[in-house]
Amino acid sequence: GQQLNQSPQSMFIQEGEDVSMNCTSSSIFNTWLWYKQDPGEGPVLLIALYKAGELTSNGRLTAQFGTTRKDSFLNISASIPSDVGIYFCAGQLWDDKIIFGKGTRLHILP
Amino acid sequence: DTAVSQTPKYLVTQMGNDKSIKCEQNLGHDTMYWYKQDSKKFLKIMFSYNNKELIINETVPNRFSPKSPDKAHLNLHINSLELGDSAVYFCASSQQGEAFFGQGTRLTVV
Repeated sequence: GQQLNQSPQSMFIQEGEDVSMNCTSSSIFNTWLWYKQDPGEGPVLLIALYKAGELTSNGRLTAQFGTTRKDSFLNISASIPSDVGIYFCAGQLWDDKIIFGKGTRLHILP
Repeated sequence: DTAVSQTPKYLVTQMGNDKSIKCEQNLGHDTMYWYKQDSKKFLKIMFSYNNKELIINETVPNRFSPKSPDKAHLNLHINSLELGDSAVYFCASSQQGEAFFGQGTRLTVV
């Protein structure tokens, strides 16, 4: 079945460092989405990507949709304490089904 | 105003009981979903409805029955609850690829 391979599973970084995470799949997606989930909350949409090769920024966040529509990366620059959380990639298939990666847990060391 | 709202936020119940979770979206979206998030935070799609019609059913036990009275509502009824049903259930709605999530319902079966 379709699945998204997200890495790394966890990251421990210092405040101010840049962060990079990515997702790959053998499936081709219509839309690629990146979410952040805080404890006790639902996932919040950060960035949506629609076109192959598209590079989009949202503040300190930058994401790109792979040219084959099978992968994507998310970068966070100059991390701050409120960036802590779980980041999920998600891909929407042509039948509107949206499947999720297993998440990247971002921890910021004091 | 909350875009996707689900009730209740917490639900504790005994094995064998029947319970419902309600979801409403005020975004005017045509597509709504139910997801289950397990203790490892993996988000798994359960159902998807488009304009009140079921379009995705991901091999969920038939104890789970979604109902969509109109395109703004997608409720989830669960019969004969089991311990393994304990999880956080998220409702979401989407249009043009961007999905927005509710805050989740934490179901605990004891």
